Amino acid sequence: KNEVEQSPQNLTAQEGEFITINCSYSVGISALHWLQQHPGGGIVSLFMLSSGKKKHGRLIATINIQEKHSSLHITASHPRDSAVYICAVSRTQGAQKLVFGQGTRLTINP
Amino acid sequence: EAQVTQNPRYLITVTGKKLTVTCSQNMNHEYMSWYRQDPGLGLRQIYYSMNVEVTDKGDVPEGYKVSRKEKRNFPLILESPSPNQTSLYFCASSPRFRQGSRPDVSSYNEQFFGPGTRLTVL
Repeated sequence: KNEVEQSPQNLTAQEGEFITINCSYSVGISALHWLQQHPGGGIVSLFMLSSGKKKHGRLIATINIQEKHSSLHITASHPRDSAVYICAVSRTQGAQKLVFGQGTRLTINP
Repeated sequence: EAQVTQNPRYLITVTGKKLTVTCSQNMNHEYMSWYRQDPGLGLRQIYYSMNVEVTDKGDVPEGYKVSRKEKRNFPLILESPSPNQTSLYFCASSPRFRQGSRPDVSSYNEQFFGPGTRLTVL
């Protein structure tokens, strides 16, 4: 079993829908990262969080340390949100050793 | 412009021919890492560096070497490439974790990725 599991693996939705991508992990962590990989291959860091909730524009990330679970939400989804979303965890405070989930491929249709 | 650069972006080579993929960042970040991405396996960490002359193995270090002689550069060296090292490689950098930083500052410890290097070893 992978240390970091994402669901769903693939998600197709219509423009405007509310999107939720889930990430569960099995080890103690110091921080969790959400990354976005565009169809062209480039990777952008969306959030790093260790507790609670963070919001940036239409993106919201939450984490529940006790349940070892994080969610990434996209409100009012748009075709430009189509990308692979990747969850990664770091086990030690300030550490750079990251373990990645398999990614969730999101497609938003107009 | 703050960025992480990698060179080359594309490389086709043959088994056993030593190669180096360069990585450079202009943000004065302490931390740098190398990852490879393969279909079905996702991203995996090869090596990382916490500062100059400080490097450590990630999850898949076999067949790779790194060095961190300067803060801005973190080259990935394949001494004798093999076909199973055909992959998409990413370099990333991030600023050092600072105790007591405001939890709402989302850029702290954020990873900045290079554009990727697609390597094919024949």
